[in-house]
Amino acid sequence: EAQVTQNPRYLITVTGKKLTVTCSQNMNHEYMSWYRQDPGLGLRQIYYSMNVEVTDKGDVPEGYKVSRKEKRNFPLILESPSPNQTSLYFCASSPGQGNTGELFFGEGSRLTVL
Amino acid sequence: DAKTTQPPSMDCAEGRAANLPCNHSTISGNEYVYWYRQIHSQGPQYIIHGLKNNETNEMASLIITEDRKSSTLILPHATLRDTAVYYCIVRGLSSNTGKLIFGQGTTLQVKP
Repeated sequence: EAQVTQNPRYLITVTGKKLTVTCSQNMNHEYMSWYRQDPGLGLRQIYYSMNVEVTDKGDVPEGYKVSRKEKRNFPLILESPSPNQTSLYFCASSPGQGNTGELFFGEGSRLTVL
Repeated sequence: DAKTTQPPSMDCAEGRAANLPCNHSTISGNEYVYWYRQIHSQGPQYIIHGLKNNETNEMASLIITEDRKSSTLILPHATLRDTAVYYCIVRGLSSNTGKLIFGQGTTLQVKP
């Protein structure tokens, strides 16, 4: 089944404790992206990757890192989480060159930073 | 990428057509209009997309104006399960960046 898988789905952590949210897609998509969603603010893009080893900042990259060492995986890294990073996170992927094609979203990861 | 503007909320009676507008006045020539919806806090779900011709699939119809500066998503017979947040975005080959702006979308409330 074609899907985007995020882990963990739910996480409660404490300020400063490094964490990684994994994202994996099995559709051989070139484009992958991370979003965060907060009440009243819609979906805001954190980082995106147009292909392996190619990543760039979205609108809200502060406090986050990403890597794209292989096509299927695009982990989101919070080196030192803070309470303002408490949010619902979505990973998405799409086929095609560059910024095109239907986006497939993961089910979301709800992160709470105490 | 072009930005889009949508009304924050709309109501629709069950069984009636829901018409959701989107303004994308700065859209480029080969940028597509995409519509997604998000039910509760699930991952957004693709609905439909188009370039300049009207499109229809099993979920909805998409009407794009001739100047391509706006579009309307039509759910022909809305049900309670269509209550969701609907996002209109534009993306395409004219962009050399992967940035995507979703905005806040339109919250559609289908009422019995």
